[in-house]
Amino acid sequence: KQEVTQIPAALSVPEGENLVLNCSFTDSAIYNLQWFRQDPGKGLTSLLLIQSSQREQTSGRLNASLDKSSGRSTLYIAASQPGDSATYLCAPRRGFQKLVFGTGTRLLVSP
Amino acid sequence: SAVISQKPSRDICQRGTSLTIQCQVDSQVTMMFWYRQQPGQSLTLIATANQGSEATYESGFVIDKFPISRPNLTFSTLTVSNMSPEDSSIYLCSGADSFYDTEAFFGQGTRLTVV
Repeated sequence: KQEVTQIPAALSVPEGENLVLNCSFTDSAIYNLQWFRQDPGKGLTSLLLIQSSQREQTSGRLNASLDKSSGRSTLYIAASQPGDSATYLCAPRRGFQKLVFGTGTRLLVSP
Repeated sequence: SAVISQKPSRDICQRGTSLTIQCQVDSQVTMMFWYRQQPGQSLTLIATANQGSEATYESGFVIDKFPISRPNLTFSTLTVSNMSPEDSSIYLCSGADSFYDTEAFFGQGTRLTVV
């Protein structure tokens, strides 16, 4: 059974800092891994999808890496802004479109 | 990716009643999923909804409590039946095409409070 852990659970930083969010998973036989953002009480917004054959995927200030063999992914946020404040979730996928979610990292960026 | 419109966005319900949540996708998708997110927790999959067949439920979830309909490739509903305060959660629907390498996308969630 896939288990997903995200570290840190919470992070509070001043605006402008570069951040690294970590995701580890126990079953490395995955097709891909997706990073999401969730604002309080809201649904999920997909940030990045990284395939098992890729090592990195970039979108704007976001960069995700994947080391499938070691069961790790990181999300790098450059030059953080208050609008980045949210909970970030990672979800590796194994099997037919079934996502397993991590516990999330709650990020607060102060002006 | 496709866009899902989920309604209602929030509701406050009396215990013992039922609430039906609707998700409308702006394009056809093969797979739709329903998740529950209890306060302070991550997402837990309730069931997978395929068109023309009964939903497949995860361990701990049953059809009598969470009946699901999937009448076509753009629409699905989840009913939370005979509600109790323990059902207070955010409920989210998600869609994905049949190809394993495509993104999953989500509705905006329904925040349910049972009093």
